[in-house]
Amino acid sequence: EIVLTQSPGTLSLSPGRRAALSCRASQSISGPFLAWYQQKPGQAPRLLIHRASSRATGTPDRFSGSGSGTDFTLTISRLEPEDFAVYYCQQYGSSPLTFGGGTKVEI
Amino acid sequence: QVQLVQSGAEVKKPGSSVRVSCKASGGTFSTYAIGWVRQAPGQGLEWMGGIIPIMGTEKYAQRFQGRVTITTDESTTTAYMELSSLTSEDTGVYYCARGVINRWYFFDYWGQGTLVTVSS
Repeated sequence: EIVLTQSPGTLSLSPGRRAALSCRASQSISGPFLAWYQQKPGQAPRLLIHRASSRATGTPDRFSGSGSGTDFTLTISRLEPEDFAVYYCQQYGSSPLTFGGGTKVEI
Repeated sequence: QVQLVQSGAEVKKPGSSVRVSCKASGGTFSTYAIGWVRQAPGQGLEWMGGIIPIMGTEKYAQRFQGRVTITTDESTTTAYMELSSLTSEDTGVYYCARGVINRWYFFDYWGQGTLVTVSS
């Protein structure tokens, strides 16, 4: 099983700042088959990025994904008020599918 | 427009079973996976398992193996997740999600979630 470790657990930033969220895998992810999701309180997760760097339909271009092997990053270039949420990475290169523990981006 | 609409909240006794439904509309049902993801209160996301209707194959996470059954009814484009031998640790929100198949799958559309509370 591939274990995904996200850091930091919480990121405290102001609107307009740049955020960099890390997702580290216990073994190399082929593809790379890695996705990022955003979840706001009381809502279902929303797909942001798949294949490590491909934005999903409707994802603003201030969100970008990068990385390969075991190290991946989600970058939000300039935080908007609606971006304060929890972010999860997920690998789908092997079974079982696994999620990281999440990074909370707060004001 | 793809939509996944789940059944309503459930309250169950320990030892019982729960079945949650997920009605899909607006897309081609059988050529995508349907996955189920659990979120315990205040916790992260956990994949329980999934099914690919066109292949008729299910795959379950090891920790749920033997307790969970995922099925689909293509005539009604509805997926079901049944979890048995419930304990208080099964309390949480259960999501269905459409899986885009690419090696395994990632989830592009999600249901609204179903809260399952297990309490005596």
